[in-house]
Amino acid sequence: DTAVSQTPKYLVTQMGNDKSIKCEQNLGHDTMYWYKQDSKKFLKIMFSYNNKELIINETVPNRFSPKSPDKAHLNLHINSLELGDSAVYFCASSSQGPSWNYGYTFGSGTRLTVV
Amino acid sequence: ELKVEQNPLFLSMQEGKNYTIYCNYSTTSDRLYWYRQDPGKSLESLFVLLSNGAVKQEGRLMASLDTKARLSTLHITAAVHDLSATYFCAALPTSGSRLTFGEGTQLTVNP
Repeated sequence: DTAVSQTPKYLVTQMGNDKSIKCEQNLGHDTMYWYKQDSKKFLKIMFSYNNKELIINETVPNRFSPKSPDKAHLNLHINSLELGDSAVYFCASSSQGPSWNYGYTFGSGTRLTVV
Repeated sequence: ELKVEQNPLFLSMQEGKNYTIYCNYSTTSDRLYWYRQDPGKSLESLFVLLSNGAVKQEGRLMASLDTKARLSTLHITAAVHDLSATYFCAALPTSGSRLTFGEGTQLTVNP
């Protein structure tokens, strides 16, 4: 069973469209994250939710909106896609407190290409 | 704000050689993580270092943490082609829950 699963794995879409990426974890973790990895492989945190509550909201365009219906799911909706949004988006999860011993578990990533 | 810097960013080495990747971080942290990423793949956890002086080894890789120097190292012994990947270090501040990544070191091991 996949621990952190993201869908879709690949997403090719035109500028101006709206798209969503879904993430689910079955590890029982209480915190989930979205990271963006650019073409130079740099990983930057975008959002984090702890038990459905937004705890990290980096400076990203408000076209990006995360939603966490429950602590096992964190989705990312992107409106009016732009060329610069092309990147790989990773979902991750963790448990806070003593379970920091294990760090984050990452999903397989969603490669978004905006044309 | 915690900043994490790795060097080198690109490393091309021959099989059988040894080398060290360095990871410096800017503020107090006592949790340091190393990840491996193969091309087109996700990040795989390699090591978790939780205290000053911690040393972990797995195969040809050994990671260490010096919290006083704010430095972690990933040492590669007798490199083999299968180690070719991008290696990331990431640090968690002592107070905070945001894991900050270094820029990554792209390692290529040549026959």
